[in-house]
Amino acid sequence: ETAVFQTPNYHVTQVGNEVSFNCKQTLGHDTMYWYKQDSKKLLKIMFSYNNKQLIVNETVPRRFSPQSSDKAHLNLRIKSVEPEDSAVYLCASSPTGGAPETLYFGSGTRLTVL
Amino acid sequence: GDSVTQTEGLVTLTEGLPVMLNCTYQTAYSTFLFWYVQHLNEAPKLLLKSSTDNKRTEHQGFHATLHKSSSSFHLQKSSAQLSDSALYYCALSGHTNTGKLTFGDGTVLTVKP
Repeated sequence: ETAVFQTPNYHVTQVGNEVSFNCKQTLGHDTMYWYKQDSKKLLKIMFSYNNKQLIVNETVPRRFSPQSSDKAHLNLRIKSVEPEDSAVYLCASSPTGGAPETLYFGSGTRLTVL
Repeated sequence: GDSVTQTEGLVTLTEGLPVMLNCTYQTAYSTFLFWYVQHLNEAPKLLLKSSTDNKRTEHQGFHATLHKSSSSFHLQKSSAQLSDSALYYCALSGHTNTGKLTFGDGTVLTVKP
């Protein structure tokens, strides 16, 4: 049963373009996350938001910026994409953001940068 | 900082044989371990979790026991099924208050007939 929805599923773009990915969760959770899953399947946290406030901001390039309109939505914008940004971007949510909690993931957005 | 080590990147088994995927960790904080499973083109999903030392946790035929003395949380199953073929991540929640998980590099399990 899907409760974390990501759009688009796939996106192909050229180096230097701007892209934006959307994520919505219907679980009523307070915390949402963006994870990057690279070509080697390594899974690394990028950001987490708790009720629209940035909680975790790992060391990611400044061209990445999360955007939250409410606690059910967390989008990811990438200004001027680079080839190394090609990856699957996974959105997740958890009830409160306190440790430890189960993460509920979306199916991901696969970005290919040509 | 926190770290999780999964020693096998790829495990290939014949259906019916036992499964064991290794996971060890390092953290200076409280310890909560997870196993997530990701089938092809699907979202990662929680398989097991534990914070209790030396207590076996089971779900969907898989089991794991957290051993704090050896910093391990190995995933096991007595008999592999074709449908178990997937990517398995061990993850650690050590640092409190952020919900942040540190994931291992993942183990791809392929079960053959």
